[in-house]
Order: sequence, then structure tokens, then C-alpha cells
Amino acid sequence: GAVVSQHPSWVICKSGTSVKIECRSLDFQATTMFWYRQFPKQSLMLMATSNEGSKATYEQGVEKDKFLINHASLTLSTLTVTSAHPEDSSFYICSASSRVTNTGELFFGEGSRLTVL
Amino acid sequence: AQSVSQHNHHVILSEAASLELGCNYSYGGTVNLFWYVQYPGQHLQLLLKYFSGDPLVKGIKGFEAEFIKSKFSFNLRKPSVQWSDTAEYFCAVNSNQAGTALIFGKGTTLSVSS
Repeated sequence: GAVVSQHPSWVICKSGTSVKIECRSLDFQATTMFWYRQFPKQSLMLMATSNEGSKATYEQGVEKDKFLINHASLTLSTLTVTSAHPEDSSFYICSASSRVTNTGELFFGEGSRLTVL
Repeated sequence: AQSVSQHNHHVILSEAASLELGCNYSYGGTVNLFWYVQYPGQHLQLLLKYFSGDPLVKGIKGFEAEFIKSKFSFNLRKPSVQWSDTAEYFCAVNSNQAGTALIFGKGTTLSVSS
């Protein structure tokens, strides 16, 4: 149980285009979802926190107009990288907090690797 | 400020050597503690977790970690490493309240030579 799925796993796009990444909790309802970014050889940095039906809360230094987060249901959150540039190339990872377990444990997706040409 | 410190940036060991990776945290309140592993080019995998109870936690692949509250530490150990343990290891902490983000340490690269 507690499976989080991300799609796509890999995406390559041209500079200036927008890319949408989906994060789904497959077998549980996620009260809160988190988006992280991981640059090569670095740690995971929290980008934003989203609650179903509410606006996302962004960490300092993360542009909310560039990284659009939508958490439309208890099982789906999306991250849209708008007008992507090569410096946005990174590994984007979502995680979710279960409404049922309520322990603070987060369940992670397998990540989406974005390459902007 | 909330933070996680991993003291060892890069650890190099020979097979069968013992491993200990340090992790200290700064976080108010009751915490959950985690160790994750990331093999080259792959996604995060949970090694072990501590919520409460016995401070010595056993995880997968022969790893264990000990929570020492007085030292704000959660060090990862393995008695005998294998070449396949070569990976990046991340310590992470969050509140035991649901819906709080994990704060990650910078990670430790473990290289095991056969």
C-alpha cells in the first residue's frame, strides 16, 4: 500500500515550453502533497506544499508563477513548469501524506527527470 | 531553524568494513526520523524510520539506526558493507504531525570497493 506514482518519468522539452508533471496517490487519499527538486549530486530541496483544494505554499526562492501547482483532488497533484529554461532541468519528486495513517510519514513518487534543451 | 546535518560528505570503504554515517538534526517538538538510499540514477528508497518507542531501529538490507534524543542524532550503521551498498544516503526529519514536509540532509556518498 501507500503507492505514489509520477508521470512522466522522463521528459525532454525545448526551452520556452511548459511541462506538466502528475503525481497520484494510487491507494490512499493524500491530505497534503509536497514537491521537491533535486539537482545532480545534491539533496532534495522542498519547493512547495499543497493541500487539496487550497493554493500551494511555496518555499522561499521558488517562483510560484513559474512552478504552478494544482492539487485538485485527494489523489492528484500536478506541477507545471512554465516557460522552461535549461536551468530548470532537474529531478522533480513528489511525496504525499496519508489522510489515514496520520503519522507524519511521507510516501514518495519515483521522480520525474526534466531536461530542457 | 529546522535543519539536518550529515557530517560525512563522502565515505569510502572496502567490502566487509563496518559503516556508520552521522546525522544530527535541529527541529522543535516531537520528530520522525528517516534514512533513505538513492542508488545511482534511481529514485529514493526508504531504508528505515523512527517514530517512537525503541530507539534502535532496524531497516532493510541489514541497516540499523539509533535515535539518541539527548544528542539530537540518528546515526546509520551497518556491520558489514557490500559493493552493492554504493549509493547516496539521506537523513531526513519531520514533525510527527501529519502533513509536515521532510527536511533532508545534504546526503553522504558511500563508495564501497570490492
